[in-house]
Amino acid sequence: AQSVAQPEDQVNVAEGNPLTVKCTYSVSGNPYLFWYVQYPNRGLQFLLKYITGDNLVKGSYGFEAEFNKSQTSFHLKKPSALVSDSALYFCAVRAASGGSYIPTFGRGTSLIVHP
Amino acid sequence: NAGVMQNPRHLVRRRGQEARLRCSPMKGHSHVYWYRQLPEEGLKFMVYLQKENIIDESGMPKERFSAEFPKEGPSILRIQQVVRGDSAAYFCASSPLGLAGFSNTGELFFGEGSRLTVL
Repeated sequence: AQSVAQPEDQVNVAEGNPLTVKCTYSVSGNPYLFWYVQYPNRGLQFLLKYITGDNLVKGSYGFEAEFNKSQTSFHLKKPSALVSDSALYFCAVRAASGGSYIPTFGRGTSLIVHP
Repeated sequence: NAGVMQNPRHLVRRRGQEARLRCSPMKGHSHVYWYRQLPEEGLKFMVYLQKENIIDESGMPKERFSAEFPKEGPSILRIQQVVRGDSAAYFCASSPLGLAGFSNTGELFFGEGSRLTVL
């Protein structure tokens, strides 16, 4: 069965500093990987995805993520955090072929950016 | 340019009552997915539907829960005889193409959720 691990329940970072939100995955075959953001009392919004090709993926709001096949990781990064980035971040995986095509989500990581 | 619309946004029910949650997908989308979000468990898949068909219900509890997506109208997630453990946020998502077959590499589009509280 496919799975996603987000090892940190919460990440704290000062405004202007770089941020990293970690994600590792397990899937049968090649993965499709996604990051979503959820603001309080709202639905999930898509940030970026890895399908194939370049391991560094750029997405919305200055976020990027790096796919590392050997470490089965897809960490979310941003060079300079903003207070408005404070939200809940979800990593998701689904199989590119075979396995389960339904996206499996991690438990979420709360990002808190301090002024 | 309406997104995925869910209603009600908040629903309070007493134990034993029925809860009905509605979801209208984005215009042009015919594939709907329901997820449940619990505070300590994250987002869990429940069911995937296409118009008039249930494609995958592997995440749906076997009893009390049902879902439909009729030819006309919204998708409905129905919970009968609710219990306190059903209290959660229920999210609907849609996509223009189905995920089965793996040719669709796109993301899901989520609604703002329906928050069910069972007293």
